Amino acid sequence: DIQMTQSPVSLSASVGDRVIITCRASQNIKNYLSWYQQKPGKAPNLLIYSASTLQSGVPSRFSGSVSGTAFTLTISSLQPEDFATYYCQQSYSFFTFGGGTRVEIK
Amino acid sequence: QVQLQESGPGLMKPSETLTLTCTVSGDSVNNDFFYWSWIRQPPGKALEWIGYIHYDGITNYNPSLKSRVRVSIDPSKNQFSLQLLSVTAADTAAYYCARGAGAPDYFDYWGQGTVVPVSS
Repeated sequence: DIQMTQSPVSLSASVGDRVIITCRASQNIKNYLSWYQQKPGKAPNLLIYSASTLQSGVPSRFSGSVSGTAFTLTISSLQPEDFATYYCQQSYSFFTFGGGTRVEIK
Repeated sequence: QVQLQESGPGLMKPSETLTLTCTVSGDSVNNDFFYWSWIRQPPGKALEWIGYIHYDGITNYNPSLKSRVRVSIDPSKNQFSLQLLSVTAADTAAYYCARGAGAPDYFDYWGQGTVVPVSS
């Protein structure tokens, strides 16, 4: 099984901050990595797929990158509507989600 | 606009079979490009992929659930369904249906989710 480890588990940030969330895969998954945003009581919303491709309609302040087995989601300038939980997901072998990163208001 | 809507029981008892249905609008479950998926999320926990089906009947299941899961498709109603056998309290979760895109690699449209408690 491929394990996905996200860090940090939670973070506190202010509007306008640059936020970086990391997801590490237990083995090489190439670029088969997606990112989702989930707000309480709602379904996840796709932000990025193929590690760095922005889903249509998603603001450009969201970006994704990869270095080896480490993937990052960057929010360049945090907005009030960005406070949520973020999940990574691999699709190299079946589908596995990370444990989530909760972004809270500082 | 693509929309998915889950329907099913509000409460399950241990050992029963859970059946959920997802009704798709704005797309066809016969669309060759997409895979129709089920994903769940226990309270306060992370997401877990359950399985998917393609219009041609090809299925793929999470190995940890494979022995208890079946996903089926009904193009005449533009629906697909999940059956989960012998449920226990550990199956208590919000269940989402979603459209898988790419190979599939990602889930681009999701239903709003339905909460299924399992309790005696």
